[in-house]
Amino acid sequence: DAGVIQSPRHEVTEMGQEVTLRCKPISGHDYLFWYRQTMMRGLELLIYFNNNVPIDDSGMPEDRFSAKMPNASFSTLKIQPSEPRDSAVYFCASSLWGEDTEAFFGQGTRLTVV
Amino acid sequence: GENVEQHPSTLSVQEGDSAVIKCTYSDSASNYFPWYKQELGKRPQLIIDIRSNVGEKKDQRIAVTLNKTAKHFSLHITETQPEDSAVYFCAASGGSGGSNYKLTFGKGTLLTVNP
Repeated sequence: DAGVIQSPRHEVTEMGQEVTLRCKPISGHDYLFWYRQTMMRGLELLIYFNNNVPIDDSGMPEDRFSAKMPNASFSTLKIQPSEPRDSAVYFCASSLWGEDTEAFFGQGTRLTVV
Repeated sequence: GENVEQHPSTLSVQEGDSAVIKCTYSDSASNYFPWYKQELGKRPQLIIDIRSNVGEKKDQRIAVTLNKTAKHFSLHITETQPEDSAVYFCAASGGSGGSNYKLTFGKGTLLTVNP
């Protein structure tokens, strides 16, 4: 397996534009997580899914953020409208069932909102 | 919810010395404690983990200890090498509140190993 795949790797957009980040988890993994990483706040969990169903979205900062998982092999994180403070690295991770299993991270999407 | 505190935020050691990073957690129900290493511009990757039924675990030059009573756990790296330079994150999961699979991360420690 190629691991968790995220696209794009880099995204530069203007404030107010819609941004969509994409993630393909490792095949067979039951859980998918979206994290945001900044210098100030570190790694923050935004939302996670189990078998395509959102379980905990308490980390989603505002209604401008939304995430979907239409099937087991694809998830999106959308920001609409984007703001400069959304600039960060967004990681997707996936894991097998179980609260003590390794989370495998994708390479991340570096988002810059100007 | 869970809160994970990590210290120090930066650590500089000489090659060959040992490095210790400490974390505390708040939710006594947490039972899984992984450590991730993140090199500059790369993704976090698991280097070692420990579960609550174990007090210590070792893998070559790295070891992790867990004190459930005190709610703290530590990462120990011996005989450090320049390639150990990276940001290290501790995390905790399995706590109460319904989101057992939610990994809560510490803020990270930037380790620099000087040749």
